[in-house]
Amino acid sequence: KAGVTQTPRYLIKTRGQQVTLSCSPISGHRSVSWYQQTPGQGLQFLFEYFSETQRNKGNFPGRFSGRQFSNSRSEMNVSTLELGDSALYLCASSFVGLAGRTSYNEQFFGPGTRLTVL
Amino acid sequence: GESVGLHLPTLSVQEGDNSIINCAYSNSASDYFIWYKQESGKGPQFIIDIRSNMDKRQGQRVTVLLNKTVKHLSLQIAATQPGDSAVYFCAVSAARNRDDKIIFGKGTRLHILP
Repeated sequence: KAGVTQTPRYLIKTRGQQVTLSCSPISGHRSVSWYQQTPGQGLQFLFEYFSETQRNKGNFPGRFSGRQFSNSRSEMNVSTLELGDSALYLCASSFVGLAGRTSYNEQFFGPGTRLTVL
Repeated sequence: GESVGLHLPTLSVQEGDNSIINCAYSNSASDYFIWYKQESGKGPQFIIDIRSNMDKRQGQRVTVLLNKTVKHLSLQIAATQPGDSAVYFCAVSAARNRDDKIIFGKGTRLHILP
């Protein structure tokens, strides 16, 4: 079974630009979560999508947005990039249990997209 | 809000010895705890989890201990091997919270010495 794939793997942008990152979940997984990882702040939850709807959101400004398509693939967008947005952006896919909760013990991460903002 | 902290940013252990990585959390409503392993160039990988109705859970060479009284959990790795070198994160979640977010600690880098 193919794992979570993220494209592109590396990206260099300049301040003020916008960027779109893509994530293809494991087949059958309908929940996609996005995380930002930096040396200073560690891993921080951005948002989660399930059935094309954002159902959970972290404490990030509105410049960070996302969407999910009917095939569960997801994209996240960052507008008006700032230097501090340089980070590894990780996508994770998982099943959602009968109670509607994300199955973190069956959540699989992709390798991430390394974004550098100059 | 919840905060999750690890006691040591790095830990060096001799190959074959046992290692213990500690984590503290602040929210007494947290009821689900996870340990992840992240190797260089890869995303985090689930290792083991534990719910608040348990205080110990064992996997293959790994054991997680939960002390709800002092809001502390630990990951024990038995007979460490070179492949155990990685960054280890604890994460917590609260099922009772409607938003059910997962909060990660900063990570402990485990070095296995030959």
